[in-house]
Amino acid sequence: AQSVSQHNHHVILSEAASLELGCNYSYGGTVNLFWYVQYPGQHLQLLLKYFSGDPLVKGIKGFEAEFIKSKFSFNLRKPSVQWSDTAEYFCAVRGGTGGFKTIFGAGTRLFVKA
Amino acid sequence: DAEITQSPRHKITETGRQVTLACHQTWNHNNMFWYRQDLGHGLRLIHYSYGVQDTNKGEVSDGYSVSRSNTEDLPLTLESAASSQTSVYFCASSDPGTGHNEQFFGPGTRLTVL
Repeated sequence: AQSVSQHNHHVILSEAASLELGCNYSYGGTVNLFWYVQYPGQHLQLLLKYFSGDPLVKGIKGFEAEFIKSKFSFNLRKPSVQWSDTAEYFCAVRGGTGGFKTIFGAGTRLFVKA
Repeated sequence: DAEITQSPRHKITETGRQVTLACHQTWNHNNMFWYRQDLGHGLRLIHYSYGVQDTNKGEVSDGYSVSRSNTEDLPLTLESAASSQTSVYFCASSDPGTGHNEQFFGPGTRLTVL
C-alpha cells in the first residue's frame, strides 16, 4: 500500500530562515507528487506538483520541491520564509495503480516568528 | 467562478444521531472525495466517487456512507454519529480529463459529536 511520511510535525523558524520539509513515499511505480498548504482557517490549496520532466519544480510564493526518485523523496524548500508562510503543509502522492486516489502525509505545522 | 462548497460549516450533534454533510462543486469534475482531518493523522480518505452512481470506500469508511446521484453533489452521511467522528471534514474534487489530478478542496465542515 502507498504511504507518505513527513519527517517533521512541527517546525519553528524565524523570518528569513531557509526552509526544508521532508517527504518520503512508499510506492515503486510512477507517481504524481504534490505539496498542499493550509493557511490558518482556510482550506487546502495546491502549492506545487510534479508529474514528469524536470525533477525540480517551482510553485507559488517562492516554494520549490525536488523529486529524487532513488530516494523516494519530494522535499519542499524555500530560501527565505516570511511570517505569512505560517501554515500547515501536506505532502501527497498519487500512484499509477491507485486510480485517482491521493494519499496525504500527516502534515507539518510551520510557525514563522516575525 | 467555479467552486466547491460545503454545508454546514459547523455542526454539533449528539451520539447516535444521523448527520449528513453536503458537498457541492461547480467544476463539473467527475471525481469527488471526502476526507477527515485529525491532528497527527493529516487527511484520511473516507469515500470517493469517480462519477455518477459510482462510490468507493476509502481507508476510514466505517460508519460513513455516500451517494452520487449527479455530478455536482456528494453528500456524506454518518449513520449513527460517534464521538470518534468528531473531526474536520473536507470535500474535494478533481478532473480526470486533465491527467494532472490536482484536487480542489472545499472550506471544510467542523463536526462535534457530544
